[in-house]
Amino acid sequence: DVKVTQSSRYLVKRTGEKVFLECVQDMDHENMFWYRQDPGLGLRLIYFSYDVKMKEKGDIPEGYSVSREKKERFSLILESASTNQTSMYLCASSFGRGQVVDTQYFGPGTRLTVL
Amino acid sequence: DQQVKQNSPSLSVQEGRISILNCDYTNSMFDYFLWYKKYPAEGPTFLISISSIKDKNEDGRFTVFLNKSAKHLSLHIVPSQPGDSAVYFCAASGMDSSYKLIFGSGTRLLVRP
Repeated sequence: DVKVTQSSRYLVKRTGEKVFLECVQDMDHENMFWYRQDPGLGLRLIYFSYDVKMKEKGDIPEGYSVSREKKERFSLILESASTNQTSMYLCASSFGRGQVVDTQYFGPGTRLTVL
Repeated sequence: DQQVKQNSPSLSVQEGRISILNCDYTNSMFDYFLWYKKYPAEGPTFLISISSIKDKNEDGRFTVFLNKSAKHLSLHIVPSQPGDSAVYFCAASGMDSSYKLIFGSGTRLLVRP
């Protein structure tokens, strides 16, 4: 079974703080993703990575950055947290390697509240 | 502009009856579609998928139908069970980005005992 873990289930931070969200997958997947989920908006892609040290912007990258130093780990960074970044953050991974069909597997999510 | 739309935010059905969840898309380049199920406080889990070369895919109680001309797909759950109560997300990917999924906004299904 694919396992995707996220470092925290719940986080409360103050405006202006630097926030790190960590994600680890144990299936040697090439691709990793960060989404945020908001009511009525579904899952929106923030950033994704298709290889170590490689990253690409998703649909809503503003205010975020990412780091992938090791294949199994993908970090999402909020350089200066703002209240509009209060959300559920979901990490996912997929096999990659040119798969035509590439199912994504999700972690349990981190509920971030910025005060 | 949403490329994948789930126009019904919620659906309530009686246990044992059929649940039909709908999804519309606008991008004709999409060629693979997936449904994910999400319980509260958990990440989405993959449920069922369909390729654009098919019009139906079945897995137990779950069947997905694809109507390419209408750019519409639907998920049928028969018979519905209380444990099916969750949020269901439709997602699509295209030939130009097979690893990138575009998600709909989700439909919350409640199955009443």
